[in-house]
Amino acid sequence: NAGVMQNPRHLVRRRGQEARLRCSPMKGHSHVYWYRQLPEEGLKFMVYLQKENIIDESGMPKERFSAEFPKEGPSILRIQQVVRGDSAAYFCASSPGQGGADTQYFGPGTRLTVL
Amino acid sequence: AQSVTQLDSHVSVSEGTPVLLRCNYSSSYSPSLFWYVQHPNKGLQLLLKYTSAATLVKGINGFEAEFKKSETSFHLTKPSAHMSDAAEYFCVVSDLRNSWGKLQFGAGTQVVVTP
Repeated sequence: NAGVMQNPRHLVRRRGQEARLRCSPMKGHSHVYWYRQLPEEGLKFMVYLQKENIIDESGMPKERFSAEFPKEGPSILRIQQVVRGDSAAYFCASSPGQGGADTQYFGPGTRLTVL
Repeated sequence: AQSVTQLDSHVSVSEGTPVLLRCNYSSSYSPSLFWYVQHPNKGLQLLLKYTSAATLVKGINGFEAEFKKSETSFHLTKPSAHMSDAAEYFCVVSDLRNSWGKLQFGAGTQVVVTP
């Protein structure tokens, strides 16, 4: 049973470009969570999605960031017009049910560097 | 509101000696508590979790943690450190009463193991 998969593992973008980060949850998991880890900090919650629904996006910046989890295919975290402050590691996690009751399993992360 | 404080940002131990990583939490309800480990440039791996069953929780790789409600603590211990334990450790709290179970991460404790 493959774990949570994220791609790309490393992504370099210039300021103003778009970044698209993909996350495929573990088989049988229908809940996906995105987190951001800035250097020397812990992970900060961004958004919680179920298939075709955003459940909680309270951690998402109001502008330039969006997330989706379509009926088919991976979850996508999209960052438009990236800035240097977006440089971070972005982690996806998945669970079979609601977050607190179920363990969240994390992917290896995508390390975004904005030049 | 829930929060978690890791009392040490860095811990250095000698191989073969005990490891103690301290964590205090704040939660308005009976929380779920987790410890995750992150090796350099890797994703997060669950070490153990507490979900209102036994207060002494045994995890992988010889780690264990004790939930102490009176002290609002969930310290992580291991009797004998191994070189492979060098990593960053995150204490995490989840409170189902006030949210869907959103994870709140501590800032992390960097563990260095010396020969």
